[in-house]
Amino acid sequence: EVLLVESGGALVQPGGSLRLSCAASGFIFSSYEMNWVRQAPGKGLEWVSYIRGSGDVKFYADSVKGRFTISRDNAKNSLFLQMKSLSVEDTAVYYCARDARLDYWGRGTLVTVS
Amino acid sequence: DIQMTQSPSSLSASVGDRVTIACQASQDIRNYVNWLQQKPGKAPKLLISDTSNLKTGVPSRFSGSGSATQFTLTISSLQPEDIATYYCQQYTSFPYTFGQGTKLEIK
Repeated sequence: EVLLVESGGALVQPGGSLRLSCAASGFIFSSYEMNWVRQAPGKGLEWVSYIRGSGDVKFYADSVKGRFTISRDNAKNSLFLQMKSLSVEDTAVYYCARDARLDYWGRGTLVTVS
Repeated sequence: DIQMTQSPSSLSASVGDRVTIACQASQDIRNYVNWLQQKPGKAPKLLISDTSNLKTGVPSRFSGSGSATQFTLTISSLQPEDIATYYCQQYTSFPYTFGQGTKLEIK
């Protein structure tokens, strides 16, 4: 069974930093692209970042470029999102999702910037 | 960036109704469209990928169609458990983009 579990969400002050993690299981992690997608309270879905299975190709939304860094540890089946210079606009539930087709999602982790 | 425009933004229908949600892309995205379902307080779930490929385990009353810039999600016979917000999403190029969502309610 494919399972994605996010962690690391917290209440942080504007200008602060946070590192999110996504633990993957039930599939060959290194073979899959991974994404971070966020959802602000009461709003729609916003794609944040993408990383290829090998980790050598990464893309970011303009809203986070230069502030967020996506990475992965294939030996530990883990995906990460390092976030810095956080603003209130970054307040959201952050989901990790597998593949370009977003075929599996975690339950999300809440980041509150206030 | 490719804009994805969904219509309607909200929809009220009766159990058993045929429901259609439209999604228009701002440019040709070939068939690289997902349809996702999100129930209140839950994570989104993939229903359909590549315009019309139903994910394993998704009821057959859900179907997708379209090409180029016009895409459609259809529920052939609405069930109470289908109450959710539905999103289209393109993955033909970065940044991946979502429609604004269609909130489906029971009449």
